[in-house]
Amino acid sequence: DGGITQSPKYLFRKEGQNVTLSCEQNLNHDAMYWYRQDPGQGLRLIYYSQIVNDFQKGDIAEGYSVSREKKESFPLTVTSAQKNPTAFYLCASSMTSGGPQETQYFGPGTRLLVL
Amino acid sequence: AQSVSQHNHHVILSEAASLELGCNYSYGGTVNLFWYVQYPGQHLQLLLKYFSGDPLVKGIKGFEAEFIKSKFSFNLRKPSVQWSDTAEYFCAVHPSHPAGGTSYGKLTFGQGTILTVHP
Repeated sequence: DGGITQSPKYLFRKEGQNVTLSCEQNLNHDAMYWYRQDPGQGLRLIYYSQIVNDFQKGDIAEGYSVSREKKESFPLTVTSAQKNPTAFYLCASSMTSGGPQETQYFGPGTRLLVL
Repeated sequence: AQSVSQHNHHVILSEAASLELGCNYSYGGTVNLFWYVQYPGQHLQLLLKYFSGDPLVKGIKGFEAEFIKSKFSFNLRKPSVQWSDTAEYFCAVHPSHPAGGTSYGKLTFGQGTILTVHP
């Protein structure tokens, strides 16, 4: 069954702690994305990767880091530098390198809460 | 940089009512336009998209959207909504010809509109 999986579904972070959100896809897609969803603000792009071992900052990259060591995996680390991390995080992928006409496919999301 | 505005944060309708959700964008060049939908507890998924040609596009589940270039709008419509249409709807824009690769793959979303349909 092809798709995008994100884990965990809920994640709790303590002050000063780094946490990593997992995103895996078995669609053989080249491009992957991380978005942050806040109520009333839509989705905002954090990072994207068009190809393995390469990634670019999105609109709100500060306080986040990513890696793309494997085609199917694009983990997101929320660092202690991110002062307002409470949000719903969505991972997405698209077939090739993220062209203007490509449909992005989304995972189920991870809700991050700060203790 | 492009921006997208969805005018209504929350729309409440009764079943069989007609629906129109507004979407306006700001960008100096040509764009590709998308509507995504997020049903309760489900993944965000594509509803319909416009690239070129006929400005009236049809999507899944009886939805359609009309691109009006002069108004920079891409409003979503459905003649008769059902309870199962209850969801959050997002309009999104991607430049057709990204400059310098900086907006390549960069889909800009609106704030979202929550649609609640009462049976």
